[in-house]
Amino acid sequence: RKEVEQDPGPFNVPEGATVAFNCTYSNSASQSFFWYRQDCRKEPKLLMSVYSSGNEDGRFTAQLNRASQYISLLIRDSKLSDSATYLCVVRLGSYQLTFGKGTKLSVIP
Amino acid sequence: EAQVTQNPRYLITVTGKKLTVTCSQNMNHEYMSWYRQDPGLGLRQIYYSMNVEVTDKGDVPEGYKVSRKEKRNFPLILESPSPNQTSLYFCASRLFLGTEAFFGQGTRLTVV
Repeated sequence: RKEVEQDPGPFNVPEGATVAFNCTYSNSASQSFFWYRQDCRKEPKLLMSVYSSGNEDGRFTAQLNRASQYISLLIRDSKLSDSATYLCVVRLGSYQLTFGKGTKLSVIP
Repeated sequence: EAQVTQNPRYLITVTGKKLTVTCSQNMNHEYMSWYRQDPGLGLRQIYYSMNVEVTDKGDVPEGYKVSRKEKRNFPLILESPSPNQTSLYFCASRLFLGTEAFFGQGTRLTVV
């Protein structure tokens, strides 16, 4: 079983839509969780950390369900500029991060 | 400006010709790592370093070497590149547990 799994997409949504991504992780001892955004041929950049209590940053909401070992990202009122690949990232040990393969989002006018 | 700098950004080389990709960070981060990114495979860790003179293998270390003689620099060395090492490479650095990883802009390597 892969350590971090994501639906690769692509998700093609119209502007203004709400879209949700899920990610599952295999190791219950995983300690920290993140969503990164990667634009085409660019470096990944942190979008937000994910906390057990859930957290929100503007149009973005991240949630963690430790019992089911999944992480979600909700994007409300999608903008064209949200088009990117979204990477689910999990930290297990002291240092190593494990990346999902990413979910590609295309927001269409 | 806080950043991770990789050089070169693009490189085309021939099989067997040794090359080095440099990585430097100005944030005094202890932890640095190298990843390669290939279509359908995502980001895979090659090597990482927890501090000066402390390095360890990641998931795909074969064919690569690294060194960490100074805290700010973490070069990736390909002693004898092969076509299967054609990829997009990223260097990243992080302060400590659970904090944000900062990535360099990437090096697109083609080995012919």
